[in-house]
Amino acid sequence: GAGVSQTPSNKVTEKGKYVELRCDPISGHTALYWYRQSLGQGPEFLIYFQGTGAADDSGLPNDRFFAVRPEGSVSTLKIQRTERGDSAVYLCASSHTGTSGRKSDTQYFGPGTRLTVL
Amino acid sequence: GQQLNQSPQSMFIQEGEDVSMNCTSSSIFNTWLWYKQDPGEGPVLLIALYKAGELTSNGRLTAQFGITRKDSFLNISASIPSDVGIYFCAGQEGDNDMRFGAGTRLTVKP
Repeated sequence: GAGVSQTPSNKVTEKGKYVELRCDPISGHTALYWYRQSLGQGPEFLIYFQGTGAADDSGLPNDRFFAVRPEGSVSTLKIQRTERGDSAVYLCASSHTGTSGRKSDTQYFGPGTRLTVL
Repeated sequence: GQQLNQSPQSMFIQEGEDVSMNCTSSSIFNTWLWYKQDPGEGPVLLIALYKAGELTSNGRLTAQFGITRKDSFLNISASIPSDVGIYFCAGQEGDNDMRFGAGTRLTVKP
C-alpha cells in the first residue's frame, strides 16, 4: 500500500510569507506526527495528532506555527510570517495507534518537504 | 533540544568491515529505535526495541536496549556499499515525543 506522502517536496519562499505543508498519512493510521530536521541534525518533534485533535503540540517553536487535521487523515502544517531560521526539512510520520511500546505503533515517515526561506 | 548523544558522528569503513554505533541519554526511555535515512528521503525504521536488555537482529543488523534504559547500540556486520547513509537512534518515553540523536554518517568504501 501507499506510504506517507508529503507535498510539496520543495518550497522556496520569501521572508515574511505564509506557507502550508501537506501530509497524507498511511490509510487507517490514527496517529500523525510532524518533525523538523535541520541540516546535520536528527528530526525534532513538533506536534502529534491522535485523530483530529492535537494531543501534544509542545514541540511547536512559537505561535507562528500551527497544524490542523480536520478529518483525522490529511494534516497541514502552517507557518506564518516565515523567517530564515524556519528553513529545514519538515517530516511527517504516521502510526497505527500512537501508543508506544507495541510493534503496531511504529512511526512511518514521509520523504519530507524541504522549506527554504530567502 | 535533543537529549540523546549519538556517536560516532561519522565513520569511514572498508566494505566487509563491521560497524558499531551507540546512543546514550540522560533520560530513561521505554522504547529505543534505530532509523536509516538516505538523501532526500525520510528515516526508515531498522530495528525497534521495547524491553531493557532486549537484543534484536534484522539481517546483518543487531541492536540492544541497554539495561539502564538510557543507552542502545547498533551493530552492522559485513558492511556493503548500500549501507551508506545516516543512522539515527531515537528514544520514546510515552506515546509521542520521539527524540532523535544527531546521527552517524556512514561511508563504505568498496
